[in-house]
Amino acid sequence: KAGVTQTPRYLIKTRGQQVTLSCSPISGHRSVSWYQQTPGQGLQFLFEYFSETQRNKGNFPGRFSGRQFSNSRSEMNVSTLELGDSALYLCASTTGGQDEQYFGPGTRLTVT
Amino acid sequence: AQTVTQSQPEMSVQEAETVTLSCTYDTSESDYYLFWYKQPPSRQMILVIRQEAYKQQNATENRFSVNFQKAAKSFSLKISDSQLGDAAMYFCAYRSFNTGNQFYFGTGTSLTVIP
Repeated sequence: KAGVTQTPRYLIKTRGQQVTLSCSPISGHRSVSWYQQTPGQGLQFLFEYFSETQRNKGNFPGRFSGRQFSNSRSEMNVSTLELGDSALYLCASTTGGQDEQYFGPGTRLTVT
Repeated sequence: AQTVTQSQPEMSVQEAETVTLSCTYDTSESDYYLFWYKQPPSRQMILVIRQEAYKQQNATENRFSVNFQKAAKSFSLKISDSQLGDAAMYFCAYRSFNTGNQFYFGTGTSLTVIP
């Protein structure tokens, strides 16, 4: 099976712009979670989608949003980018049951 | 909310030696899962080992084993016969039994393996 894929791998944006990141889970996985990883904060949970519905949400401002499509692919959107949004954004997928998460390689977002 | 604490930001070990990475967590739940993930410089996070809280036996996966102390809320990772390829960032993670797939991660321990 192919692993979790994320596109693009690298992005450079300017403050105030918006960005959309994409995640394709492992085939058969219905749950996709998003994390923000920064050197000081580690991995911070953004949200989880399961069967096109947001099932869990972390403590991030409303500028961070996501969605999931019927094929389980997920997108994450960040509007009005701030310098502090520079981070590695990881997505992870599971079947939705009691199993471990499988991570993608991440998207490195740099906001200038 | 659950919290996961890794108090060792950096650790080092001689090749072929044994090292233990510490992790503690805070929860009021009785059923949960604990994980150790490894993130090499390539950035792909991979699962090292997992432990179900209802199992008393400590999980083992080849050279990796855990010391799970439920009462103390401690979950340490022991790496035996350390290899150069073990150099990575290691994250301890907690997952509730009941709240879907929300994982809580520690801030990580950077492991250096000295040849």
